[in-house]
Amino acid sequence: EAGVTQFPSHSVIEKGQTVTLRCDPISGHDNLYWYRRVMGKEIKFLLHFVKESKQDESGMPNNRFLAERTGGTYSTLKVQPAELEDSGVYFCASSISGSGNTIYFGEGSWLTVV
Amino acid sequence: AQSVTQLGSHVSVSEGALVLLRCNYSSSVPPYLFWYVQYPNQGLQLLLKYTSAATLVKGINGFEAEFKKSETSFHLTKPSAHMSDAAEYFCAVSEGTGRRALTFGSGTRLQVQP
Repeated sequence: EAGVTQFPSHSVIEKGQTVTLRCDPISGHDNLYWYRRVMGKEIKFLLHFVKESKQDESGMPNNRFLAERTGGTYSTLKVQPAELEDSGVYFCASSISGSGNTIYFGEGSWLTVV
Repeated sequence: AQSVTQLGSHVSVSEGALVLLRCNYSSSVPPYLFWYVQYPNQGLQLLLKYTSAATLVKGINGFEAEFKKSETSFHLTKPSAHMSDAAEYFCAVSEGTGRRALTFGSGTRLQVQP
């Protein structure tokens, strides 16, 4: 069974450009999460989808970040325009609804804004 | 609100020695607790989780953790360190039901000396 897959694995863009990160959750997982870790700090929650609906987007830093989950399957996270402080690792994770169910993480998309 | 504190951003042990990584949590409801590991250039992998069953939880690769409510702790231990255990370890808490997103600690980087 495939795990959570993320694309691209690495991206280097210039300040002001746009980047779109994609996440494919484990098949059948209705919960999809985005997290990020910047500059060696804590891994921070960004938002949570249940199927195609945003359940919690309290962690989104500002309106330069836009997340979508088309048809409740894969998700995209767009940063537009990118700023230097957006550099870091963006993790996607998924789980099946239910108390205590494991949240599985992808390998992350490493974003560098120069 | 929930939070996690990991004491010691870097821990160094000798091969064969006891590994002890400390985690204290704060949660307004009974918590679910997790330890994740990140090996170099890889994603986050679940080591073990506590979901209100047995307080001593055994995980993969010989790791275990004990939930102590009175101390609000969930320390990770392994009796004998291997070189392959060198990685960064993250403690995380969720409220289980309701907001299921994880709140992470700042991570502890484990170094194993030969």
